[in-house]
Amino acid sequence: GQQLNQSPQSMFIQEGEDVSMNCTSSSIFNTWLWYKQDPGEGPVLLIALYKAGELTSNGRLTAQFGITRKDSFLNISASIPSDVGIYFCAGQLLGNFNKFYFGSGTKLNVKP
Amino acid sequence: GAGVSQSPSNKVTEKGKDVELRCDPISGHTALYWYRQSLGQGLEFLIYFQGNSAPDKSGLPSDRFSAERTGGSVSTLTIQRTQQEDSAVYLCATRRAETQYFGPGTRLLVL
Repeated sequence: GQQLNQSPQSMFIQEGEDVSMNCTSSSIFNTWLWYKQDPGEGPVLLIALYKAGELTSNGRLTAQFGITRKDSFLNISASIPSDVGIYFCAGQLLGNFNKFYFGSGTKLNVKP
Repeated sequence: GAGVSQSPSNKVTEKGKDVELRCDPISGHTALYWYRQSLGQGLEFLIYFQGNSAPDKSGLPSDRFSAERTGGSVSTLTIQRTQQEDSAVYLCATRRAETQYFGPGTRLLVL
């Protein structure tokens, strides 16, 4: 099936550092979504992107929908301990609104 | 409620027993999805509903797994004759336009 390649798989950073993670695919996506999952919880939507080139911010988080429609990145600025969790990208293929494909996740660890 | 809710939040069962997991979607969201997430892993698609019908059941791992949805609202995922490898978090999500919203999940442990 369709795969999203998400990287890095895990990150260990110091509080205050900026973080960047990305997802790529060989196919064209119509939508890119970024989620955060805390331990024992369901994924929570952080940012949704609907147009190629779109750059959207949510507080310290910024995400972009790649121009080629085959990639997206998520940046977190000035990380804090509560940023710890697993971040997933997800997307819908062009022409198929019924199915979502997920990356394997980026596990973020923040040292105080 | 405002979000997707799932029950029970945790379920411990013995191997061979049947379990039912419930999802209450966001009101008005006609598309509903079930996923499975094993410990430390990503999300595995199980089944998708549009209204009460399931156009895509391709992710169900075996015939022990089934799901139904009634009244275009509540959905139930049933696992018959549970096995230890069924232990995982089962997540329900609903869709509005091109965005998907998740419930908190049911943590299933099969002993």
